Amino acid sequence: EAGVTQFPSHSVIEKGQTVTLRCDPISGHDNLYWYRRVMGKEIKFLLHFVKESKQDESGMPNNRFLAERTGGTYSTLKVQPAELEDSGVYFCASSQGGWGYGYTFGSGTRLTVV
Amino acid sequence: AQKVTQAQTEISVVEKEDVTLDCVYETRDTTYYLFWYKQPPSGELVFLIRRNSFDEQNEISGRYSWNFQKSTSSFNFTITASQVVDSAVYFCALGYNQGGKLIFGQGTELSVKP
Repeated sequence: EAGVTQFPSHSVIEKGQTVTLRCDPISGHDNLYWYRRVMGKEIKFLLHFVKESKQDESGMPNNRFLAERTGGTYSTLKVQPAELEDSGVYFCASSQGGWGYGYTFGSGTRLTVV
Repeated sequence: AQKVTQAQTEISVVEKEDVTLDCVYETRDTTYYLFWYKQPPSGELVFLIRRNSFDEQNEISGRYSWNFQKSTSSFNFTITASQVVDSAVYFCALGYNQGGKLIFGQGTELSVKP
């Protein structure tokens, strides 16, 4: 079974530019989550999709961040325009449902805004 | 409010020493899950263990062991006879909403020196 895949693994962009991160969950997993770790701090929740619907987007920092999950498959997270404080590692995770089904993370995308 | 505290920011040990990573959590929910993840230098988050709030039995997996104590709201992780490959950042996390988001601690960076 393929795991959760994230693209790109690294991205370096200038302040003001746009970046799109992609996450491919494990096939059949309806739940998809985005998290990020900024400046060596704790990993923080951004949002949760159930299929193509946003179940919880309480962690999205501001309207420069836009997440989509077309057709309930892969998801994208767009940052536009990027600011210096957006630098960090963005993780995606997927699960089948409740905690008993587990929760698998991808390898993350390291975003650096210069 | 839900919170996870990992008071140890960095720990450095010499190979073969035992080391315990502390995790204290806060939640008002009676049903919740606790997790430990490992983030090696390669960056991915590796699942180590999941425990539900109704199962206080300690668990041992090879050199790893976990001590869950509801009375002190702690879920500590011990590595016995540490090895250089154990060097990583370790995160404790709390899941309190079935299938929902995880609340992470700040992480403990463990360095095992030869």
